[in-house]
Amino acid sequence: GIQVEQSPPDLILQEGANSTLRCNFSDSVNNLQWFHQNPWGQLINLFYIPSGTKQNGRLSATTVATERYSLLYISSSQTTDSGVYFCAVGEAAGNKLTFGGGTRVLVKP
Amino acid sequence: EAGVAQSPRYKIIEKRQSVAFWCNPISGHATLYWYQQILGQGPKLLIQFQNNGVVDDSQLPKDRFSAERLKGVDSTLKIQPAKLEDSAVYLCASTSGGYTGELFFGEGSRLTVL
Repeated sequence: GIQVEQSPPDLILQEGANSTLRCNFSDSVNNLQWFHQNPWGQLINLFYIPSGTKQNGRLSATTVATERYSLLYISSSQTTDSGVYFCAVGEAAGNKLTFGGGTRVLVKP
Repeated sequence: EAGVAQSPRYKIIEKRQSVAFWCNPISGHATLYWYQQILGQGPKLLIQFQNNGVVDDSQLPKDRFSAERLKGVDSTLKIQPAKLEDSAVYLCASTSGGYTGELFFGEGSRLTVL
């Protein structure tokens, strides 16, 4: 099956800093989503982005499907951005989403 | 629009006991998933339904886990008998677009097996 690797595994930021999270995948995909899991465990859908670039407030994401990676940008980070960010991908020849191991983000005030 | 509903939120049982989790997806969403998330890991797919049919249950431990979605709406996931390693959060998700669609998750059911 498809392999999904996220980096870095852990990230500590000072409030107001910018950061980039990366998701690499091993095969062609027809689905890619970014999620934020808050400290209470709720998974919130951030972006549905199998290709191209999207922006939502301080967050933006870019997927370069031909090079098999996606990036999530957090600008002017806030303490509420803390949590775990997951990338999930769906293989072009498959029928399910596979999650990466996540990036744990801690934003300090 | 109501989100994905799950219950119970928390459950503590002893090993070898049984437990059941319930999920009601977003109205109109034909595809429903159950994921298992062990502490510190990403969610792992257990089973995927399209309406009331099973699309993928290749990672479901069928000797102890079962799931059904009889009327193509809500779903139940059962574990019997439970093992210590089943301690995890069980997440239900739904989408209107099949496996290429945008996925929405419930709050999860946290299981502790003692």
